[in-house]
Amino acid sequence: EDKVVQSPLSLVVHEGDTVTLNCSYEVTNFRSLLWYKQEKKAPTFLFMLTSSGIEKKSGRLSSILDKKELSSILNITATQTGDSAIYLCAVDWSTNAGKSTFGDGTTLTVKP
Amino acid sequence: NAGVMQNPRHLVRRRGQEARLRCSPMKGHSHVYWYRQLPEEGLKFMVYLQKENIIDESGMPKERFSAEFPKEGPSILRIQQVVRGDSAAYFCASSRRVLRKNIQYFGAGTRLSVL
Repeated sequence: EDKVVQSPLSLVVHEGDTVTLNCSYEVTNFRSLLWYKQEKKAPTFLFMLTSSGIEKKSGRLSSILDKKELSSILNITATQTGDSAIYLCAVDWSTNAGKSTFGDGTTLTVKP
Repeated sequence: NAGVMQNPRHLVRRRGQEARLRCSPMKGHSHVYWYRQLPEEGLKFMVYLQKENIIDESGMPKERFSAEFPKEGPSILRIQQVVRGDSAAYFCASSRRVLRKNIQYFGAGTRLSVL
């Protein structure tokens, strides 16, 4: 069965800390892995990763995919209270006609 | 360019009633996905539609739930004879689905409460 597992499930840090969120997957015919940030309402797209070892970066956020280990990490440096959200990882595969499988998310709380 | 629009934002129904959730995709997007999210859980895939076609409904309960995406108008997720367990946030997403890129853009969700 296709599976996406995120860890930790929740994390509490203080402003300025660096955090690393993990996502591992068990799939066949992997196509891409996506990270989303969900605050109070709609998830918003962060990154899409298709190739191993190539870091994607946006400001203080960065992510990298390891296809050998079937995993990805999302790093956030110098965290701010506005980074508090649920971070969702999703995997898209080529044989399931379009369905993305989401992990349960990591709830990040950044305290001032 | 408006994003994905869902309405209503909040919907309250009594057990046994019907719930209709609407989703208008982003302009230029012909692929629509519906997800359900329970508190403290991630998004669970329900159904994937293209215009007038259901492509994958493997995540949708076999009874009481149906979805459509007509040629004109929004996509509709319909839940008949709602039960308390249907209370959840229902998110719709749309995409262009070009080659290997399937970035989905989400609406703000409809929060269904069944009394």
